[in-house]
Amino acid sequence: GNSVTQMEGPVTLSEEAFLTINCTYTATGYPSLFWYVQYPGEGLQLLLKATKADDKGSNKGFEATYRKETTSFHLEKGSVQVSDSAVYFCALNPSGNTGKLIFGQGTTLQVKP
Amino acid sequence: DAGVTQSPTHLIKTRGQQVTLRCSPKSGHDTVSWYQQALGQGPQFIFQYYEEEERQRGNFPDRFSGHQFPNYSSELNVNALLLGDSALYLCASSLRSHGNTEAFFGQGTRLTVV
Repeated sequence: GNSVTQMEGPVTLSEEAFLTINCTYTATGYPSLFWYVQYPGEGLQLLLKATKADDKGSNKGFEATYRKETTSFHLEKGSVQVSDSAVYFCALNPSGNTGKLIFGQGTTLQVKP
Repeated sequence: DAGVTQSPTHLIKTRGQQVTLRCSPKSGHDTVSWYQQALGQGPQFIFQYYEEEERQRGNFPDRFSGHQFPNYSSELNVNALLLGDSALYLCASSLRSHGNTEAFFGQGTRLTVV
């Protein structure tokens, strides 16, 4: 079946530190991969995506590379800010145009000044 | 361009009651999906509507039903509410002709069952 596993949080970093949130997936076929961010009390916002192997998604200083050989899509940012504090979800859309997203459990990031 | 809008934002219901949640998709989108997000968890897929029909369904009981209207807006209905139905309900819209590859989410409806 299809599933997503994220590193457990919370992740606590100081401002300007380097961020990595690990995400691995299990899927049949060729899924699209996504990172969504959820700020307190809000819905989900798409942060970045990659639709095929070796694609790199990037947005607002965040980036993630679709690694088919390791079935991974780790999220990275070189220098985090307090405003990046949120919950981050890795998700996959199974192959085909189903539109059904399968999410990981989420990783809470807390950035301290 | 309005994004995905959901109403109401918060709702409190009693066990056994019925509830209807509403969603208007992003302009130009034709597919609506509903998700349930329990506290501290990732969203779980409930079902998806396209052309006014349910196209896919997740592992949710028949108490959860929905509808899509000709203007693409959608409703989620939950009957015989249980305490465990307390969650954030998220609506997402996408465009089938683009392979539904990018979903836009609303702010969600926070349902509390007491």
